[in-house]
Amino acid sequence: GAVVSQHPSRVICKSGTSVKIECRSLDFQATTMFWYRQFPKQSLMLMATSNEGSKATYEQGVEKDKFLINHASLTLSTLTVTSAHPEDSSFYICSAKRQGNQPQHFGDGTRLSIL
Amino acid sequence: QKEVEQDPGPLSVPEGAIVSLNCTYSNSAFQYFMWYRQYSRKGPELLMYTYSSGNKEDGRFTAQVDKSSKYISLFIRDSQPSDSATYLCAMRGVGSNFGNEKLTFGTGTRLTIIP
Repeated sequence: GAVVSQHPSRVICKSGTSVKIECRSLDFQATTMFWYRQFPKQSLMLMATSNEGSKATYEQGVEKDKFLINHASLTLSTLTVTSAHPEDSSFYICSAKRQGNQPQHFGDGTRLSIL
Repeated sequence: QKEVEQDPGPLSVPEGAIVSLNCTYSNSAFQYFMWYRQYSRKGPELLMYTYSSGNKEDGRFTAQVDKSSKYISLFIRDSQPSDSATYLCAMRGVGSNFGNEKLTFGTGTRLTIIP
């Protein structure tokens, strides 16, 4: 199996709050994890790629100081949205893959709403 | 022109019909091809993962890759209402260097199976 667990599934908070989202690979070691953002009726937009023990690599246009990514172990990566504002409201999805030419397995996403 | 083209639909077919979903791509470096199914407000679920050209069958699902035409397909036999979802094609190059880890997605096709 290849199960990826993402928590929380839903967050509603006030503007200015920092929000942490966890992504765990439950039954495999994930050497690489990815964070995506998805707008309604659109495909996934890659935000950053992280390898265990290394700094994340961010896609062009994604603010590193806004979206902090930590990949401290082979089974856990976190995304922290710092000082969130209404424009950060979105569906955030993580994925994880084993080493080598393996597919990405996705979590069930976190719906973030900033009031 | 997008690297991966996928008809967004929506596509509606009666229960029991054979469904054909397709993507075309322009980057000849793509070697690994995936189909994901995404239900509303959920993360994508891996359905099929194939390498290079050829066919792969898993239950009611068959994936076909024609690299000479840069065309991939997913067939669903004996379609069920529970197959109603958005289907995303995705692809990437070979190897584990950073650039080849990233997936390029189609826009997704919204499929509805009518009971």
